[in-house]
Amino acid sequence: AAGVIQSPRHLIKEKRETATLKCYPIPRHDTVYWYQQGPGQDPQFLISFYEKMQSDKGSIPDRFSAQQFSDYHSELNMSSLELGDSALYFCASRSTGAEETQYFGPGTRLLVL
Amino acid sequence: AQKITQTQPGMFVQEKEAVTLDCTYDTSDQSYGLFWYKQPSSGEMIFLIYQGSYDEQNATEGRYSLNFQKARKSANLVISASQLGDSAMYFCAMRALNTGFQKLVFGTGTRLLVSP
Repeated sequence: AAGVIQSPRHLIKEKRETATLKCYPIPRHDTVYWYQQGPGQDPQFLISFYEKMQSDKGSIPDRFSAQQFSDYHSELNMSSLELGDSALYFCASRSTGAEETQYFGPGTRLLVL
Repeated sequence: AQKITQTQPGMFVQEKEAVTLDCTYDTSDQSYGLFWYKQPSSGEMIFLIYQGSYDEQNATEGRYSLNFQKARKSANLVISASQLGDSAMYFCAMRALNTGFQKLVFGTGTRLLVSP
């Protein structure tokens, strides 16, 4: 079965640089969620999209922005990167109305130096 | 607001034995879902099992079962016949079901180590 695809899988950036993370949801899934997991921590919700519209917002810094495109893929844009942004970033997708489970991608591991 | 508590930072079990990972929750929502995810050292987050608050029977998925006690607000994961590949971090999570888009709230996780 198709899974959530995230790219890149690993990313190394310098402080103050920008990064773009991409997420391709499971086919026919209409909702995408972004989570951030710091080292040794549980995942924290950042933002979600349903049918290309922002549906919920969590503790996402103003330096971050995201959107969902017409093909349902989503991108998380991160600017002015800080050391504390080093984390595992997950995208998850769900078919709203069909099931309750969010299926996670393999994550993008971001290291800010 | 929802809160998940996992009081066991680490658990140790021998291969082929059963193990129970504890999870308690707090929510003011009438309708909610409870989830367990497994995170191996490679980092991916693997869905294991789901229980809706309205489900009368405990959920089961192969060797995984969820011991749901609504009055006690607990949703413990039981893994039967542990395997070496079960060694991983396990997260309990929940979300409200009153809207379609509610985010998952996670507990702090329990690290399970299965020994030969």
